[in-house]
Amino acid sequence: KAGVTQTPRYLIKTRGQQVTLSCSPISGHRSVSWYQQTPGQGLQFLFEYFSETQRNKGNFPGRFSGRQFSNSRSEMNVSTLELGDSALYLCASSLGQTSGRAGGEQYFGPGTRLTVT
Amino acid sequence: GQQVMQIPQYQHVQEGEDFTTYCNSSTTLSNIQWYKQRPGGHPVFLIQLVKSGEVKKQKRLTFQFGEAKKNSSLHITATQTTDVGTYFCAARGSSGSARQLTFGSGTQLTVLP
Repeated sequence: KAGVTQTPRYLIKTRGQQVTLSCSPISGHRSVSWYQQTPGQGLQFLFEYFSETQRNKGNFPGRFSGRQFSNSRSEMNVSTLELGDSALYLCASSLGQTSGRAGGEQYFGPGTRLTVT
Repeated sequence: GQQVMQIPQYQHVQEGEDFTTYCNSSTTLSNIQWYKQRPGGHPVFLIQLVKSGEVKKQKRLTFQFGEAKKNSSLHITATQTTDVGTYFCAARGSSGSARQLTFGSGTQLTVLP
């Protein structure tokens, strides 16, 4: 099976602009989660989508939004970019189970490195 | 969500020495997962623990889940340079918003040859 893919891999934007990142999960995976990774803050959970519905949301401002399509592909959007939004944005897919032994592990994509200047 | 504390933040060891990272939660967990992220890479799933007191081994790696399902540890015996990276625990609570996966801050392991 092909792994999780994310596009673009690198992005440079200016403060105030908006950006859309894309994630294609592993075939058959219905859950897609997004994380922001920075050296000082580690892996911060943004949101999780399961079957096109947002199942969980982290503590990020409303400038961060996402969606999932019927083919499980997901996009996240950041509006009015700030310097502090510079980070590695990771997408992870899973089967979506949240209990029990199988299906809860997440498979991460290579990430999108966003730089805001 | 919930709070997950992971210690230590950094660990430098000589090749051949052992290494342990610990993860603690104030609430009872449904399960806990461990991931490894190599420098410049992305997190890679290692294992998931579900049962109270569970112990699992993968070659030189030993994973434990506490009896109260509030803490976990990853122990590496006789580290090698290939073990370099950041190890994250990821905890899932039992109900509501706590069911989202919450990552610890990670332990960055450096192995000196």
